[in-house]
Amino acid sequence: DAGVTQSPTHLIKTRGQQVTLRCSPISGHKSVSWYQQVLGQGPQFIFQYYEKEERGRGNFPDRFSARQFPNYSSELNVNALLLGDSALYLCASSRDLEETQYFGPGTRLLVL
Amino acid sequence: LAKTTQPISMDSYEGQEVNITCSHNNIATNDYITWYQQFPSQGPRFIIQGYKTKVTNEVASLFIPADRKSSTLSLPRVSLSDTAVYYCLVDSNTGKLIFGQGTTLQVKP
Repeated sequence: DAGVTQSPTHLIKTRGQQVTLRCSPISGHKSVSWYQQVLGQGPQFIFQYYEKEERGRGNFPDRFSARQFPNYSSELNVNALLLGDSALYLCASSRDLEETQYFGPGTRLLVL
Repeated sequence: LAKTTQPISMDSYEGQEVNITCSHNNIATNDYITWYQQFPSQGPRFIIQGYKTKVTNEVASLFIPADRKSSTLSLPRVSLSDTAVYYCLVDSNTGKLIFGQGTTLQVKP
């Protein structure tokens, strides 16, 4: 079975631009969560979606938004990019809200 | 804030058993203990999860004492490819995982 997939793998943007990151969960998984990992730190929770509804939000500014589609895939959008948004963005899926999360390979975002 | 405390780093040699202990003094009744492994520039990989006593799978063992205030991840006979960051999390399966800084394990030849 395919694991969680994310696209693109790498991305370079400049300050002020907008970016959209994509995630496809493991087949049969209905929940998708997003995490940001800056160099040298553990992942930080951004959002969780389940059945197309937001079920949890971390301490991130409104520039960050996400959505989940009927096929359970998800997009993370970040507006007005700052240098500090440079990080590895991770998507994780779980079968249900309260089950083990499995992570994708991440998207490496560099903001110049 | 992470709910767990674990050593920042550990060194080991190939073929040895490695035990990484994690403290979680404020673990709640509903919390499970989960360990992830992460290689550089990759997503965390689920290793093992437990609630109490001992859990074993093909990769590792997890030992949890009766008071559940700590847990130990045991990796048998490590190899160079086990060099990675290991994260201990306690979570009531709410979906919001809280990661600390993890333990960087360096396996030497």
